[in-house]
Amino acid sequence: DQQVKQNSPSLSVQEGRISILNCDYTNSMFDYFLWYKKYPAEGPTFLISISSIKDKNEDGRFTVFLNKSAKHLSLHIVPSQPGDSAVYFCAASTTNFGNEKLTFGTGTRLTIIP
Amino acid sequence: DAGVIQSPRHEVTEMGQEVTLRCKPISGHNSLFWYRQTMMRGLELLIYFNNNVPIDDSGMPEDRFSAKMPNASFSTLKIQPSEPRDSAVYFCASSRFQTVEGLPYGYTFGSGTRLTVV
Repeated sequence: DQQVKQNSPSLSVQEGRISILNCDYTNSMFDYFLWYKKYPAEGPTFLISISSIKDKNEDGRFTVFLNKSAKHLSLHIVPSQPGDSAVYFCAASTTNFGNEKLTFGTGTRLTIIP
Repeated sequence: DAGVIQSPRHEVTEMGQEVTLRCKPISGHNSLFWYRQTMMRGLELLIYFNNNVPIDDSGMPEDRFSAKMPNASFSTLKIQPSEPRDSAVYFCASSRFQTVEGLPYGYTFGSGTRLTVV
């Protein structure tokens, strides 16, 4: 039972354009959502997070949007750069304590075309 | 800060053999997580510890898997006996009780151990 779903295994975007990665969840107890980025042969690294009381959080080129009623979130990268090519994982948690488990999706491989 | 250190980076073993994966968390982090990455299931949690105590091991696939955290600076994940379907990348991550402006700070992951069971 996949509680966090990333339905697009891969996405290709032209350099300079917007990349939009999507994520859906089923567990209404999730209140915090995170995005991680993973390069080959490395562990995932934390990118950005959002709580369910907000619908948007922005950090530089990265913006996460949350639609709680639809149980949907998305990560926007503008403008996309070649270094953004990586696998992106969406994750969800019921708390913001940092010591609780995260439930991850299956990942989306983003390729930025120069 | 050396980050989360996992060893070995790669492990190739024969079916039926015992495999031990090792993890050294970041000093000062009091939570440790073991995840497994597969194409089908993405990153799935196997077990996690708070203050060296196992909190949730419901993700451990079966009795062949066991994990220990004898102290705050070391953890092992053992598979005995190993099977080909255990082939995956195993990640260790650590974290501490911390929020940034009310948001979770996120884990720090190690580089992973790629396990191949033949």
